[in-house]
Amino acid sequence: SQQGEEDPQALSIQEGENATMNCSYKTSINNLQWYRQNSGRGLVHLILIRSNEREKHSGRLRVTLDTSKKSSSLLITASRAADTASYFCATDYGNNRLAFGKGNQVVVIP
Amino acid sequence: DGGITQSPKYLFRKEGQNVTLSCEQNLNHDAMYWYRQDPGQGLRLIYYSQIVNDFQKGDIAEGYSVSREKKESFPLTVTSAQKNPTAFYLCASSAALGSGRGYTFGSGTRLTVV
Repeated sequence: SQQGEEDPQALSIQEGENATMNCSYKTSINNLQWYRQNSGRGLVHLILIRSNEREKHSGRLRVTLDTSKKSSSLLITASRAADTASYFCATDYGNNRLAFGKGNQVVVIP
Repeated sequence: DGGITQSPKYLFRKEGQNVTLSCEQNLNHDAMYWYRQDPGQGLRLIYYSQIVNDFQKGDIAEGYSVSREKKESFPLTVTSAQKNPTAFYLCASSAALGSGRGYTFGSGTRLTVV
């Protein structure tokens, strides 16, 4: 089955810096979504970008989608300690089934 | 407030036992899902249901069973046939099929075999 793959796997940054994560996928998608997971908790939906969109913003989040390269990036600007979490990309390949990547661990150092 | 409730938060199972994980939602969502999360492996789909009284196998359904008798409820049974059940189990729901909206997740159940 199709699987999103995030890169890099782990990221450690200082508070106030920007954090960028990438995700690649293998087949055509309807949309791509990003989720956050705090340790031991469920996932929280952050943002969805459709296949006909190239960029989307939500607060301090910026997502890009390049369907020709089958890749997406998530940028968190002006990071805060509360942004420490794992971030997953998920691809919708039809029927509203999502395929999740393995996740990016982000640590924001105060 | 609307959301998904998973219970229990922690569950311990003896060898050879069946256990049932509860998932209830009050979001009026049509679709519900069960995922398994192991360290370093992301989320893998066990079963999903798009409407009441209907469900489909996901990528790792062996050793698991589900039912969808009510729109609000989608319990998962981990049977004795599941040889490595220790994992974090996540239930999710979403609005109508093809709506293109994100999933809402519960807080998870951590199952440990003792």
